[in-house]
Amino acid sequence: DTAVSQTPKYLVTQMGNDKSIKCEQNLGHDTMYWYKQDSKKFLKIMFSYNNKELIINETVPNRFSPKSPDKAHLNLHINSLELGDSAVYFCASSPPGRANQPQHFGDGTRLSIL
Amino acid sequence: GNSVTQMEGPVTLSEEAFLTINCTYTATGYPSLFWYVQYPGEGLQLLLKATKADDKGSNKGFEATYRKETTSFHLEKGSVQVSDSAVYFCALRGGGADGLTFGKGTHLIIQP
Repeated sequence: DTAVSQTPKYLVTQMGNDKSIKCEQNLGHDTMYWYKQDSKKFLKIMFSYNNKELIINETVPNRFSPKSPDKAHLNLHINSLELGDSAVYFCASSPPGRANQPQHFGDGTRLSIL
Repeated sequence: GNSVTQMEGPVTLSEEAFLTINCTYTATGYPSLFWYVQYPGEGLQLLLKATKADDKGSNKGFEATYRKETTSFHLEKGSVQVSDSAVYFCALRGGGADGLTFGKGTHLIIQP
């Protein structure tokens, strides 16, 4: 009955590879997000999807592409992985357009680039 | 743009001590304010929230009051436990942005 689930939990791969991280939410929310947490624990939003439309893209390299097959899923595809992509990636969801509502987070995917 | 500033740790306290973690923010309009907690190896959990001026959020003995005049949302707890050891994030939502803007996180260590 996990609200926001993402897979895999750990991902170890080599520079130059292409990888995907999957996220699913069963809360019925319309908006989903991806955040990146760096080695110093700093969290920054990467993308937001509302009804299959990208509504935020915060200066993220175009090697990162979010893909949403339906409003319950927001996957993150990364091309040509670089060392600096090593981080923990969190998926989140919330009802749209209601700033007083909190976002619900998944447990994170720890990506390590060798 | 929006920004959140919180005291950087680590903050080390003894069990049963009083805790304050400072948080101030910059945003246009009237954002909602949140505290999230991240236990080791886990994701972020909502600890408490406040959506308008003078609101007090509370949960698990933690409290924070939305102070518009000082643009602050300081986290307090009267008596901390070892199990409170975690990283605490202050965040805001609103001010023209849909996503959360986080502070840099405060690592709290409680010693027995």
